[in-house]
Amino acid sequence: GQQLNQSPQSMFIQEGEDVSMNCTSSSIFNTWLWYKQDPGEGPVLLIALYKAGELTSNGRLTAQFGITRKDSFLNISASIPSDVGIYFCAGYNYNNNDMRFGAGTRLTVKP
Amino acid sequence: DAGITQSPRYKITETGRQVTLMCHQTWSHSYMFWYRQDLGHGLRLIYYSAAADITDKGEVPDGYVVSRSKTENFPLTLESATRSQTSVYFCASSGAGGASTDTQYFGPGTRLTVL
Repeated sequence: GQQLNQSPQSMFIQEGEDVSMNCTSSSIFNTWLWYKQDPGEGPVLLIALYKAGELTSNGRLTAQFGITRKDSFLNISASIPSDVGIYFCAGYNYNNNDMRFGAGTRLTVKP
Repeated sequence: DAGITQSPRYKITETGRQVTLMCHQTWSHSYMFWYRQDLGHGLRLIYYSAAADITDKGEVPDGYVVSRSKTENFPLTLESATRSQTSVYFCASSGAGGASTDTQYFGPGTRLTVL
């Protein structure tokens, strides 16, 4: 089935650096979501985007819903050690009740 | 405590055995979901349920059975476990009484190993 293409697969950055990751799809989605997963835990919702072109922030996190509705990106500014984890994008299409997840971006932050 | 819980958190079983993973949510969410998470595949939907007694297949339903006799519970059963079903299983819920399925809230996961 259709999976989202999420990149990069992993990132190793220094504390204080900014981070950017993105998701692309060949299909249109009505909603884009970004989740973070800590080790041994379930994914936790960070940001939800509902309109093409929408730019939404949540603290140091900023995400955008691509204008074509086929992509989204997540930026993290001034990274800190607790940002470590796996970040997943997800696209949802309410026309066919289809939700798909990217394979995740594993973020490591070096103090 | 309110929220979504899964049990057991860890399970080891043998090939051919039946295993049931439990999921319970206290939000009265209409929708509930089961995913499996494997390296390189992200989260893949196994089954979902829009309401009590309504279930539908997801992307990878083969080898799994679900039921939803009560809104708050959504058990997942592996009728005859196989090694390929070794994975981490996540339950999720969304939509407090409505049809919203975009914002899903996840349980802590069950790590299943099939020997």
